Amino acid sequence: NFLLTQPHSVSESPGKTVTISCTRSSGSIASNSVQWYQQRPGSSPTTVIYEYFQRPSGVPDRFSGSIDSSSNSASLSISGLQTEDEADYYCQSYDSDSWVFGGGTHLTVL
Amino acid sequence: EVQLVESGGGLMQPGGSLRLSCAASGFTVRTHYMSWVRQAPGKGLEWVSVIYTGGGSYYADSVKGRLTISKDTVKNTLYLQMNSLRVEDTAVYYCARVLGSVRIDYWGQGTLVTVSS
Repeated sequence: NFLLTQPHSVSESPGKTVTISCTRSSGSIASNSVQWYQQRPGSSPTTVIYEYFQRPSGVPDRFSGSIDSSSNSASLSISGLQTEDEADYYCQSYDSDSWVFGGGTHLTVL
Repeated sequence: EVQLVESGGGLMQPGGSLRLSCAASGFTVRTHYMSWVRQAPGKGLEWVSVIYTGGGSYYADSVKGRLTISKDTVKNTLYLQMNSLRVEDTAVYYCARVLGSVRIDYWGQGTLVTVSS
């Protein structure tokens, strides 16, 4: 199987843009779609991006996803940061009927 | 409105058994893939298992042979039978609806399983 590696934590100021990476250890990042989930403290996760860059209805367009085959990674970018964006973010992908989550990134908006 | 409500968690001794339930409403489990995802205290998300519409199921290596996913289409309920429990199975277990076979669009509120002697 493969691993998805994310930075443990990132921080940025309100109004700025932050990008969180998710690097696949083996196999191509382009082979199987990547999803991003947001989890606020004490709450269940919610989807903010699916299939690399699709946004579910209700998710603001401040959230965007991308893929970079050269670094075998996917990224989540959040622009116009708001304090409510402070949360844990997880990437997720799959391969051969097995799902994998990244270790999660804690975003601090300060 | 889609809702997933888990139940069945609790404090168990190592080696014990437990069955988690996830009552679904607003849709039918017969026509959707369903999954269990767990989160150990203070840790990240870990995929546990998925069951397809045809009944086929797959598991994380860490639970293979001990945990069994199933569904009752009459009761519209998803289950996770947990046998030979280990301390490392301690986690909040989330029930989730899978969309497009590869992503989760709805999560339950989770149920806590604690395995300790």
